[in-house]
Amino acid sequence: EAQVTQNPRYLITVTGKKLTVTCSQNMNHEYMSWYRQDPGLGLRQIYYSMNVEVTDKGDVPEGYKVSRKEKRNFPLILESPSPNQTSLYFCASSFSPSAFFGQGTRLTVV
Amino acid sequence: GQQLNQSPQSMFIQEGEDVSMNCTSSSIFNTWLWYKQDPGEGPVLLIALYKAGELTSNGRLTAQFGITRKDSFLNISASIPSDVGIYFCAGSTGNQFYFGTGTSLTVIP
Repeated sequence: EAQVTQNPRYLITVTGKKLTVTCSQNMNHEYMSWYRQDPGLGLRQIYYSMNVEVTDKGDVPEGYKVSRKEKRNFPLILESPSPNQTSLYFCASSFSPSAFFGQGTRLTVV
Repeated sequence: GQQLNQSPQSMFIQEGEDVSMNCTSSSIFNTWLWYKQDPGEGPVLLIALYKAGELTSNGRLTAQFGITRKDSFLNISASIPSDVGIYFCAGSTGNQFYFGTGTSLTVIP
């Protein structure tokens, strides 16, 4: 079954404690991206990757890092999380415009 | 960042009615997309539009890519209860995607 898998689904952490949200897809897609979803703001693109070792900033990249060492994985890294990064995060992958989204990771930073 | 204006913000309709929502931007996009998001799930792609003026249908859904490339609309005909959810438009410049703030649809049986 074609899918994008994110882990964890829920995470509560403290300010400043580094964390990684994993994303994996089984469709051999080249394009992957990360979004955050906040009430009243819709989804905003954080980072995207056109292929292995090729990443670029989206609309709201500050405070985030990503890596793309393998085609199937695209982890999102928060080196020093802050409360304003509390949000619902989605990973997506596609051959063309974002077609497949993961189920989301709800992150709370206290 | 880029801002897409999506309206209406919410809709309450009777089952069987038609629905129309639209999205406008101050910038030109190469692609317009429409997604539906159910509670607790990620968005699911409904329709993708690649050319100005294009009109595309997917079952009861019809969407159009505006001639100016700065707007798009989505119509749902003969709504049913499972149409409930949040609908998002998105515009793409190629690599970057910008989403509208969503239209929450409630269908009253």
